Amino acid sequence: DIQLTQSPSSLSAFVGDRVTITCRASQSVASYLNWYQHKPGKAPRLLIYAASTLESGVPSRFSGSGSETEFTLTISGLQAEDFATYYCQQSYSFPTFGGGTKVDVK
Amino acid sequence: EVQLVESGGGLVQPGRSLRLSCNASGFPFGDYAMRWFRQAPGKGLEWVAFIRDKLYGATTEYAASVQGRFTISRDDSKSIAYLDMNSLKTEDTAVYFCTRERNTFGYLSLDLWGQGTLVTVSS
Repeated sequence: DIQLTQSPSSLSAFVGDRVTITCRASQSVASYLNWYQHKPGKAPRLLIYAASTLESGVPSRFSGSGSETEFTLTISGLQAEDFATYYCQQSYSFPTFGGGTKVDVK
Repeated sequence: EVQLVESGGGLVQPGRSLRLSCNASGFPFGDYAMRWFRQAPGKGLEWVAFIRDKLYGATTEYAASVQGRFTISRDDSKSIAYLDMNSLKTEDTAVYFCTRERNTFGYLSLDLWGQGTLVTVSS
């Protein structure tokens, strides 16, 4: 199994902050890496696919970068609606997820 | 509206069975592969089962933890995916999510999710 390790597991931030979340893979996944947002009781939402491609309808303050084993999700200018848990997921082999990063208000 | 809606969750005793349904609407269901995931309390997301679309023979794959106990199927005429769960164990307790898998130039992503249905296995 390909293990994904996210850091940090949680963070507190103000509206307007720049937030960066890291995802490390136990082996290379090339660019087969996706990012999701999940709010309690809601359906998870695809934000970024293929490591850096913004999903249609997702605000441009979200961006993804990286390849092989190290990836980053950046939120440039955190908005109130962005407080949620974020997950990375690899699609190089059968899908696995990172442990999640909970972003809450400072 | 493009959406997935899961149903069928509930409280069940260990060793018993349960069928989950995933009702799709707003898109050509038969053109997509579908997956089930689950999230146990306080745990991460775990892939459970996968079914390809009929173009690829609607073949199936399972996580080792459910192989031989769970069966995924689909009825394209009704736009429903099913997850039949047998010999349930307490460790199967989780919120179960149905997802649509999209292939964009070879890159797979889960571009549509349901809100989930809670399955609790307890005596």
